[in-house]
Amino acid sequence: SALTQPRSVSGSPGQSVTISCTGTSSDVGGYNYVSWYQQHPGKAPKFMIYDVSKRPSGVPDRFSGSKSGNTASLTISGLQAEDEADYYCCSYAGSYTWVFGGGTKLTVL
Amino acid sequence: EVQLLESGGGLVQSGGSLRLSCAASGFTFSSYSMSWVRQAPGKGLEWVSSISGSGDDTYYADSVKGRFTISRDNYKNTMYLQMNGLRAEDTAVYYCARDPAVVVVAASVFDYWGQGTLVTVSS
Repeated sequence: SALTQPRSVSGSPGQSVTISCTGTSSDVGGYNYVSWYQQHPGKAPKFMIYDVSKRPSGVPDRFSGSKSGNTASLTISGLQAEDEADYYCCSYAGSYTWVFGGGTKLTVL
Repeated sequence: EVQLLESGGGLVQSGGSLRLSCAASGFTFSSYSMSWVRQAPGKGLEWVSSISGSGDDTYYADSVKGRFTISRDNYKNTMYLQMNGLRAEDTAVYYCARDPAVVVVAASVFDYWGQGTLVTVSS
């Protein structure tokens, strides 16, 4: 089943926010293959983090990822207005299958 | 510039069939695995299926296994999703996405996405 993310988080410009992504030992906890995607309304998702904490080229270092046990986290520091979007985590779930989180709406106040 | 363009979506009755296409450009298509990911209206993302660069290896979510078939034509730089036995719960925007690896591996990710094509299944 889908990974569990908070429905919404918010923060003011310049602040930091953390989005959690909770799974099980069969997905998040069992592999270091968690990725994160940003999606603005009506747009295609954008690849932000892979292998728990690695950033693809072009992604600002304000975005960072981590994992502890069955929970992965995405932290966005120095919040900017353009960070307002939906964020989805994704984990390898074994047997060549992948599972996404339900998504978190980030509001920049 | 990597570009992925989906087509083939539309309105179909429950039990019907539809074939989606994903035309790729801007990269060596056969060197990358590809995937379909869908998003029901107002809902989150759901991985549907993946295919290796050669097309020899395919993988499916349990929710579509036996009903959907993924394929690709590396000469036409196009990936397909044949959807049979459609159900109301298959209603979603279907995105095609590129995987940086030529073979599907545990570390596979979705680094480029198309704009999606909407499939609506009426009951």
